[in-house]
Amino acid sequence: AQKITQTQPGMFVQEKEAVTLDCTYDTSDPSYGLFWYKQPSSGEMIFLIYQGSYDQQNATEGRYSLNFQKARKSANLVISASQLGDSAMYFCAMREDWDSNYQLIWGAGTKLIIKP
Amino acid sequence: DGGITQSPKYLFRKEGQNVTLSCEQNLNHDAMYWYRQDPGQGLRLIYYSQIVNDFQKGDIAEGYSVSREKKESFPLTVTSAQKNPTAFYLCASSIGDRGRVGELFFGEGSRLTVL
Repeated sequence: AQKITQTQPGMFVQEKEAVTLDCTYDTSDPSYGLFWYKQPSSGEMIFLIYQGSYDQQNATEGRYSLNFQKARKSANLVISASQLGDSAMYFCAMREDWDSNYQLIWGAGTKLIIKP
Repeated sequence: DGGITQSPKYLFRKEGQNVTLSCEQNLNHDAMYWYRQDPGQGLRLIYYSQIVNDFQKGDIAEGYSVSREKKESFPLTVTSAQKNPTAFYLCASSIGDRGRVGELFFGEGSRLTVL
């Protein structure tokens, strides 16, 4: 079974609109972390935001926020007021803390294209 | 500026040849990683190293080898034993602190094509 599922292979969004990128995860570990990364066409992966499983509040970093719904095992990324530079691949990833090596498990990604 | 430098950016290899991808970081990070990225898939871990002179296999280590003789450097060799080496390879580093694991810093990648 997939541990990280990103159901949207691609999305088109009008500039300045808000965007929600979906991510669902599967784990039985009560302690875990969830991450979002951005990969522009240059290829470099850029860390955006982190949510710990015990964090009470949703994480926010500038225009990025993580809509964490623990019971639904959902960790959607919300980008407010989208910009042309937001066009990129976006990956959701999870760290399970039972794994002493703390390696990340990655989703397949969502390609986001912002239209002017 | 601090960061991770990967080279070469593009590499072509004939079947049966070994190639080495370079990864250098000046972030003073303890941990370094090599990932492989194929179209439509998430990243898959090849090897990682949490300290100099020590490294561990990831999920897809077969056909690859690494060394970690210096903190700054973590080269990856793609050997002739790797059956399907055409892919995009990403090197990453992290502080290594447990609470920060997962916050990775990446290079711009190396695209390897086997002819």
